[in-house]
Amino acid sequence: DMKVTQMPRYLIKRMGENVLLECGQDMSHETMYWYRQDPGLGLQLIYISYDVDSNSEGDIPKGYRVSRKKREHFSLILDSAKTNQTSVYFCASSSSYEQYFGPGTRLTVL
Amino acid sequence: QQQVRQSPQSLTVWEGETAILNCSYENSAFDYFPWYQQFPGEGPALLIAIRSVSDKKEDGRFTIFFNKREKKLSLHITDSQPGDSATYFCAANPGANTGKLTFGHGTILRVHP
Repeated sequence: DMKVTQMPRYLIKRMGENVLLECGQDMSHETMYWYRQDPGLGLQLIYISYDVDSNSEGDIPKGYRVSRKKREHFSLILDSAKTNQTSVYFCASSSSYEQYFGPGTRLTVL
Repeated sequence: QQQVRQSPQSLTVWEGETAILNCSYENSAFDYFPWYQQFPGEGPALLIAIRSVSDKKEDGRFTIFFNKREKKLSLHITDSQPGDSATYFCAANPGANTGKLTFGHGTILRVHP
């Protein structure tokens, strides 16, 4: 059963704290993504990873960094979180055109 | 600059009616157009997709109509069911094997029983 998992599902942090969002996939997909979703704005691409240690900025990378040391894991890191980074974050993976999404992490930065 | 636009923002139909969701794009290089369905609290899931070489793609009650000249496409959901109530995203990919998708802002569909 193809699956993308995300941890944690809910997270509350204070402004200035560091945040680590984790994503895993069991499909051996080379390409993985991090998006954020805000009401009325659809999905915005933060970073894309084409394989281990092969990461590329998406459309809104400012304030974020990523790490991919194993093909099945992709992490999103917020160093010194800001209140405008409150959002729902989705991880996805793909082998060709179809992207498989995780259930999302709802992050609140107070 | 929004490259993929969707309309309407929200749509309400009665059970059994046909829901029509519209999408337009600006980049002529876009080659692949998937529609994703998202239920509250879940991630988007691929519903149906079309390549620019086709003008129609059908999958059960879901049909995409594609007009390359006008850079427009639409998703038709026939015999709408309350279980179809969700947010639908139109997306586009330039087909350059970058893996990147550009998403529209979505259409919220409500189907009343």
